[in-house]
Amino acid sequence: KQEVTQIPAALSVPEGENLVLNCSFTDSAIYNLQWFRQDPGKGLTSLLLIQSSQREQTSGRLNASLDKSSGRSTLYIAASQPGDSATYLCAVYGGATNKLIFGTGTLLAVQP
Amino acid sequence: GAGVSQTPSNKVTEKGKYVELRCDPISGHTALYWYRQSLGQGPEFLIYFQGTGAADDSGLPNDRFFAVRPEGSVSTLKIQRTERGDSAVYLCASSFGLADTQYFGPGTRLLVL
Repeated sequence: KQEVTQIPAALSVPEGENLVLNCSFTDSAIYNLQWFRQDPGKGLTSLLLIQSSQREQTSGRLNASLDKSSGRSTLYIAASQPGDSATYLCAVYGGATNKLIFGTGTLLAVQP
Repeated sequence: GAGVSQTPSNKVTEKGKYVELRCDPISGHTALYWYRQSLGQGPEFLIYFQGTGAADDSGLPNDRFFAVRPEGSVSTLKIQRTERGDSAVYLCASSFGLADTQYFGPGTRLLVL
């Protein structure tokens, strides 16, 4: 059974810092991995999707990497801003199950 | 273009009542998913549709939960004899095809008193 873990559960950083969020999964037979952002009381916004054949994806200040064989992904946020404050969720999609399995998220607070 | 919409945004009901939650996916998306999110947790899969048929309903917790998508677009999640433990945010997502990026709606916050 696929399990997804995110570390740390919460993170507080001053504005301008670069930071890394971690995601690990137990079954490496995934099709892709997605990173989402969730603001309080809101739905999920897709940030990046990495196919299993890819090593990384970039969008603006965000860079996500994937090491499928070791079951790990990282989300790198450069030059963090207070507007980046949210919960960040990673989710893996397995071809056999056709559903996303989510981690419990990292709550990020960027202090001005 | 319009994103995924869900109605109602909030629903308060009494234990034992019946509720229906509606999801309007992005036009042209063939895959539709329902998830449930409890406080402090990530979303948990309930069911997904490919077109009109429920391709995988393995996440539905019990037979009080049922979902339909009769015309391959709008979907309704139905909960009979609601229990306090059903209180959660119910999220709907759609994607162009399986394994494509899933786009989420704002969710319906269900509170069972």
